[in-house]
Amino acid sequence: DAKTTQPTSMDCAEGRAANLPCNHSTISGNEYVYWYRQIHSQGPQYIIHGLKNNETNEMASLIITEDRKSSTLILPHATLRDTAVYYCIVSHTGTASKLTFGTGTRLQVTL
Amino acid sequence: DAGVIQSPRHEVTEMGQEVTLRCKPISGHNSLFWYRQTMMRGLELLIYFNNNVPIDDSGMPEDRFSAKMPNASFSTLKIQPSEPRDSAVYFCASSVGQHGNIQYFGAGTRLSVL
Repeated sequence: DAKTTQPTSMDCAEGRAANLPCNHSTISGNEYVYWYRQIHSQGPQYIIHGLKNNETNEMASLIITEDRKSSTLILPHATLRDTAVYYCIVSHTGTASKLTFGTGTRLQVTL
Repeated sequence: DAGVIQSPRHEVTEMGQEVTLRCKPISGHNSLFWYRQTMMRGLELLIYFNNNVPIDDSGMPEDRFSAKMPNASFSTLKIQPSEPRDSAVYFCASSVGQHGNIQYFGAGTRLSVL
């Protein structure tokens, strides 16, 4: 699976949009981009995934560049409960396969 | 649904003892994963099962670790004998069918080996 690069940490004011970038320049044509987050002392939580089109669900939006070499996870109105480590993972979809969690981005939402 | 259920939530044991961690996946899910998380190494996949069959155990650190899935609703991860370096949080996750990479994680078992 392709390697991803994320900033180590980011801050965001509560109520503002949080934009978390991810680089995956070696992504192959049939690999998807997955985002998970891990709130302190909890298990990771799936957020969203996409192939090449932008995706939106009740938690977040995922913007993937046209060349698919990078993506951005957007939390439209961040709250204190969104403080967590966010992981960007590239993997094939379909039946279960290995997800490789890197070091992620630690997002701190502040008042 | 109650989600993925792991037990115990916390385990403290002495070096050399056998440790068994348990996991009940979400009903209807056919893939199950065991992960280990430490500060030094982050979140690592140890092993995963598909339809109760181990598919990839390349992440299992050594022979002291073993995992079983006797049926679709139960899995164990056993460490025998345990060592202090096994201290970590162990997570179990499950997923279903063509959405295998949408994994649902349990709350984890925090293991301390003294």
